[in-house]
Amino acid sequence: QKEVEQNSGPLSVPEGAIASLNCTYSDRGSQSFFWYRQYSGKSPELIMFIYSNGDKEDGRFTAQLNKASQYVSLLIRDSQPSDSATYLCAVKGDYGGATNKLIFGTGTLLAVQP
Amino acid sequence: NAGVTQTPKFQVLKTGQSMTLQCAQDMNHNSMYWYRQDPGMGLRLIYYSASEGTTDKGEVPNGYNVSRLNKREFSLRLESAAPSQTSVYFCASSFDTDTQYFGPGTRLTVL
Repeated sequence: QKEVEQNSGPLSVPEGAIASLNCTYSDRGSQSFFWYRQYSGKSPELIMFIYSNGDKEDGRFTAQLNKASQYVSLLIRDSQPSDSATYLCAVKGDYGGATNKLIFGTGTLLAVQP
Repeated sequence: NAGVTQTPKFQVLKTGQSMTLQCAQDMNHNSMYWYRQDPGMGLRLIYYSASEGTTDKGEVPNGYNVSRLNKREFSLRLESAAPSQTSVYFCASSFDTDTQYFGPGTRLTVL
């Protein structure tokens, strides 16, 4: 089982729709969760982080965390073609004996169709 | 404020050659990291430095060495490059061990 799992996609949504990106993780003790956006050929850029169960909103983005079910999601409202990118989920926890490492999922490719 | 900078941006090496990738940050961050990113594999941690003067192995350290030169700079060295080290290398930094900020990356090809 991978430590942080994401569907690789591509996830295709029409412009103006809500894009829903999901991530599951294996370490039940994980405390910090991050979403990064990566455009093709560029470096990852932090979008949001969330520490507590529930929803956290920032503009068009909402991060949702459910520690009991070990999943974190990112909702993008009113999706725009400029949102087309790979979205990386990262989880901080005790993996492989090294504490407080960020473990990244392989990312979900989002394609917003005009 | 340049954030995290990396040099070079691109590099082509022959098998067996050595090189050092440079990384610097101007955010007064304590922790610095080196990752490699390969298609389908995601970002994998090579080495990290939780604070000045300390370095630790990550998930894929074989074939690499690092130096935390001072609080600002963290270099990654390939002593004898192999084709399997063809990848995109990212340096990142963070104030604590949480939110990490990435540099622009180095695209390395080993022939």
